[in-house]
Amino acid sequence: DTEVTQTPKHLVMGMTNKKSLKCEQHMGHRAMYWYKQKAKKPPELMFVYSYEKLSINESVPSRFSPECPNSSLLNLHLHALQPEDSALYLCASSQGGTGGLYNEQFFGPGTRLTVL
Amino acid sequence: QKEVEQNSGPLSVPEGAIASLNCTYSDRVSQSFFWYRQYSGKSPELIMSIYSNGDKEDGRFTAQLNKASQYVSLLIRDSQPSDSATYLCAAGPFGNEKLTFGTGTRLTIIP
Repeated sequence: DTEVTQTPKHLVMGMTNKKSLKCEQHMGHRAMYWYKQKAKKPPELMFVYSYEKLSINESVPSRFSPECPNSSLLNLHLHALQPEDSALYLCASSQGGTGGLYNEQFFGPGTRLTVL
Repeated sequence: QKEVEQNSGPLSVPEGAIASLNCTYSDRVSQSFFWYRQYSGKSPELIMSIYSNGDKEDGRFTAQLNKASQYVSLLIRDSQPSDSATYLCAAGPFGNEKLTFGTGTRLTIIP
């Protein structure tokens, strides 16, 4: 099974709402990622979890809060977002650790987020 | 600053011809290279990875790596309309989770 799943597919939220994006993988990967992608731009790395520990935070505003409950799950909690945060949010996973020498990252289908 | 550069296109290729996509990178620490295909409104899909100098073939796709010249290319033989997409080049060091993505090349296959 080489699939990364994400829910929901679409999300519309107001600036005062709190919502969460969810990601799951069953490939036994130990590294999981959140990316943000705006139209006609490449994916922009937000966070990396390696062995369930936050290893990279790309200076993301605190209104985005990641969580890794276990090695298969990754959440992104959203609070007080701005309209400019509207984008496609992508989750990815890779083998990670010493076995992840080549770091092939596999993306989920994404969540299309609109902030009103 | 680590950079991966691609020609943004659009690159138009007749159906059945060979499409050639190019990518250069500035960080000599980069050792692993990837090509992703992204259809409009969809997520990136990994189609090729290459780590050693030379060619790597997978079906209609061939990735080429030249570390001395710091470029990576992707050839698509017998191009099909379904190959029309944006192709993202990415590079990273061995054992490092952070990839640097290029801005992508938009490819259009003309029937």
